[in-house]
Amino acid sequence: ETGVTQSPTHLIKTRGQQVTLRCSSQSGHNTVSWYQQALGQGPQFIFQYYREEENGRGNFPPRFSGLQFPNYSSELNVNALELDDSALYLCASSGGQAYGYTFGSGTRLTVV
Amino acid sequence: DQQVKQNSPSLSVQEGRISILNCDYTNSMFDYFLWYKKYPAEGPTFLISISSIKDKNEDGRFTVFLNKSAKHLSLHIVPSQPGDSAVYFCAASEQAGSYQLTFGKGTKLSVIP
Repeated sequence: ETGVTQSPTHLIKTRGQQVTLRCSSQSGHNTVSWYQQALGQGPQFIFQYYREEENGRGNFPPRFSGLQFPNYSSELNVNALELDDSALYLCASSGGQAYGYTFGSGTRLTVV
Repeated sequence: DQQVKQNSPSLSVQEGRISILNCDYTNSMFDYFLWYKKYPAEGPTFLISISSIKDKNEDGRFTVFLNKSAKHLSLHIVPSQPGDSAVYFCAASEQAGSYQLTFGKGTKLSVIP
């Protein structure tokens, strides 16, 4: 299987709720990273997972958490949603170096 | 504090002419630089990269120049084509192979036929 697939493509949640976003990476890609792209901004690094362990984190609070599974899928969980969490969430995977990163098309999350 | 800056939100260029997209950075620990291209409703796509030990890297119509002393890099597209119309992001990392990329805000390039 090729490419990075994210689901859902769009999502609307209410402030205070919890959300789970999903990503299916390319086979063999054992590193996955998540980015948040707010409107008019560049993507911001949330965290990365390598072989199911978190091994890097950006400046995001603990209510942003993730999981990576042996089948190359991963999840981003956000608890206690805030209005500022409204953004495009991008998943990227790599089987090697950063320039080999493949990004998914993203999940557009709107918090109301 | 924005560590990677793309000061031009947009750029319009005639088809066939050169497009020059600029990027400045402040973090002297950045060692590897990348350019990504993004079409609407798609994820960013890797375009070209350059290590800090080089000052130029070419790939077809795309060339990236790095001026480390000025903490400045630029992407040249020659000749520009309508299909190049997209948002271009400059990104940096503290080492090649690092997955933690710091992105600029992007420059929207419009190539006019």
